Amino acid sequence: GDSVTQTEGQVALSEEDFLTIHCNYSASGYPALFWYVQYPGEGPQFLFRASRDKEKGSSRGFEATYDKGTTSFHLRKASVQESDSAVYYCALGSSSSFSKLVFGQGTSLSVVP
Amino acid sequence: EAAVTQSPRNKVAVTGGKVTLSCNQTNNHNNMYWYRQDTGHGLRLIHYSYGAGSTEKGDIPDGYKASRPSQENFSLILELATPSQTSVYFCASGARNTGQLYFGEGSKLTVL
Repeated sequence: GDSVTQTEGQVALSEEDFLTIHCNYSASGYPALFWYVQYPGEGPQFLFRASRDKEKGSSRGFEATYDKGTTSFHLRKASVQESDSAVYYCALGSSSSFSKLVFGQGTSLSVVP
Repeated sequence: EAAVTQSPRNKVAVTGGKVTLSCNQTNNHNNMYWYRQDTGHGLRLIHYSYGAGSTEKGDIPDGYKASRPSQENFSLILELATPSQTSVYFCASGARNTGQLYFGEGSKLTVL
């Protein structure tokens, strides 16, 4: 079945550091790919999506590019802030139904001043 | 602003007892979902619904039932709760085929 793998379980950075969170997927066809963010005590929130090869999604300074060749959708931000501390989830919606999402394990980001 | 409300927010249940988690959305979305969140597993889909009267099994449906009596309401039912069902449960709604889900704040369930 479809699956999403996030390599890092936890990431610790200082403010203004560059962020990369790796996301790789396994699915047939052309799935849609998503990033969600979850702040402490809240439910996950949609960050952005991409639905075709080479498409870049972006929001709030975060960005990711859909790469079908490497089956990846890595999250990047040039300069993180303490307020970015949260759990980040990569997700996949199959090409037959974007309604049913499969989520990765999540990556907990901690940013210290 | 999209709104999904879950109740109860915290629940302690005994093994073998019945638990009902409720969810209400005011987004007028067709689709609703129940996920559970566990460290190391992320979010896993239990049941979902495409509209009133419909329920579908997700990836981990065993031990759970769902009910969608109306567009606004979606319940998750544990008929015989077990300690392995101790988790945080999230309800979400979404418009058809967008993948953009709106989540509630979660319900923490502890089964003793």
